[in-house]
Amino acid sequence: EAQVTQNPRYLITVTGKKLTVTCSQNMNHEYMSWYRQDPGLGLRQIYYSMNVEVTDKGDVPEGYKVSRKEKRNFPLILESPSPNQTSLYFCASRTPIYNEQFFGPGTRLTVL
Amino acid sequence: QQPVQSPQAVILREGEDAVINCSSSKALYSVHWYRQKHGEAPVFLMILLKGGEQKGHEKISASFNEKKQQSSLYLTASQLSYSGTYFCGTESLNRDDKIIFGKGTRLHILP
Repeated sequence: EAQVTQNPRYLITVTGKKLTVTCSQNMNHEYMSWYRQDPGLGLRQIYYSMNVEVTDKGDVPEGYKVSRKEKRNFPLILESPSPNQTSLYFCASRTPIYNEQFFGPGTRLTVL
Repeated sequence: QQPVQSPQAVILREGEDAVINCSSSKALYSVHWYRQKHGEAPVFLMILLKGGEQKGHEKISASFNEKKQQSSLYLTASQLSYSGTYFCGTESLNRDDKIIFGKGTRLHILP
């Protein structure tokens, strides 16, 4: 089954404790993204990657890092999380040509 | 830069029609539509490309006015399953590979 998986699905952590949210897709897509979703603000892109070793900032990249060492994986790293990063995070990969995006199930992060 | 969606929310009875609008201040290459049910991930509905090409579901239709940088999503004879939040995403004409989403339109269908 074609899918995007994220782990963990839920995470509660404390300010300053480094964390990584993993994302993996099995559709051989080159393009992958991370979004955060906050009430009333919609989906905002954090980082995206057009291919292995190629990443670029989205609209809200501050406080986040990403890496793309393999085509299927695109982890999101919060080196020093802060409470304003409490949010619902979605990873997505997309098809070429039509850019149809497939979203992962989401990770709900709470930073205390 | 974020596209503007209207209305913000709408309540309908089953069988009624709905139109959701998406407007951008930038020249667009494509408009994407997604639906998100509560507690779930957004799901692709349709994409409309500059030049008139479309790809999407049979029961949902949309239009794309390239000159006005506007798109509308048409939900006819709404069903209970149509409830959710609808997002439009826009890709600008410079093909910067970014899709910027609007804030969403909440649709609630009553039986």
